[in-house]
Amino acid sequence: QVQLQESGPGLVKPSETLSLTCDVSGYSLSRGYYWGWIRQPPGKGLEWITSIYHSGTTYYNPSLKSRVTISVDTSRNQFSLRLSSVTAADTAIYYCASHWSYDYFDYWGQGTLVTVSS
Amino acid sequence: QSALTQPASLSGSPGQSITISCTGTSRDVGGYNYVSWYQQHPGKAPKLMIYDVTNRPSGVSNRFSASKSGNTASLTISGLQAEDGADYYCCSYTSDYTLVFGGGTKLTVL
Repeated sequence: QVQLQESGPGLVKPSETLSLTCDVSGYSLSRGYYWGWIRQPPGKGLEWITSIYHSGTTYYNPSLKSRVTISVDTSRNQFSLRLSSVTAADTAIYYCASHWSYDYFDYWGQGTLVTVSS
Repeated sequence: QSALTQPASLSGSPGQSITISCTGTSRDVGGYNYVSWYQQHPGKAPKLMIYDVTNRPSGVSNRFSASKSGNTASLTISGLQAEDGADYYCCSYTSDYTLVFGGGTKLTVL
């Protein structure tokens, strides 16, 4: 069974770059699967941010595309999210997730709260 | 990319059946059989309940079923139980190779 765990700073200053990593266990990223990031502002709904196929093909939410980068490090069996020029509106719980098929997320990390504040 | 439309809240009594709707457009829900549903309890990560419109992952109760008609997908929970009280989200693949979630429905079991 795939297990995912997010890590990264819990506090980021406005205009800086948010960086998160998702460690994957139970499955080798190089073998397949899509890997993605979803966020949830406190008390609000889910928003898909980005996904990457194990081969490196990337997919982005159009509303965030200009600020988002997703990458995979198969040697460390992890994938990462970078979101630049953050504002308070980017404050959210960030989840990493796997999806065997592009259209649905089958395994999720526990989520990590990132607060944007000076 | 607009969020799919779900009722903000629904309620039902134990043993009853309820249906949550998820309305999109022909560019997402109506255009593909790629709708999924997630259950989220407070403070927890979402859990996949339905994928590809009607399919249940292993381990999900058969009290959960789903369907689609036109641009609207639906999740039905039969024999409501207290543990079904949670937030539910739909998600659809879209014509520009992206994914979009619904706004979420808070289900209260009375």
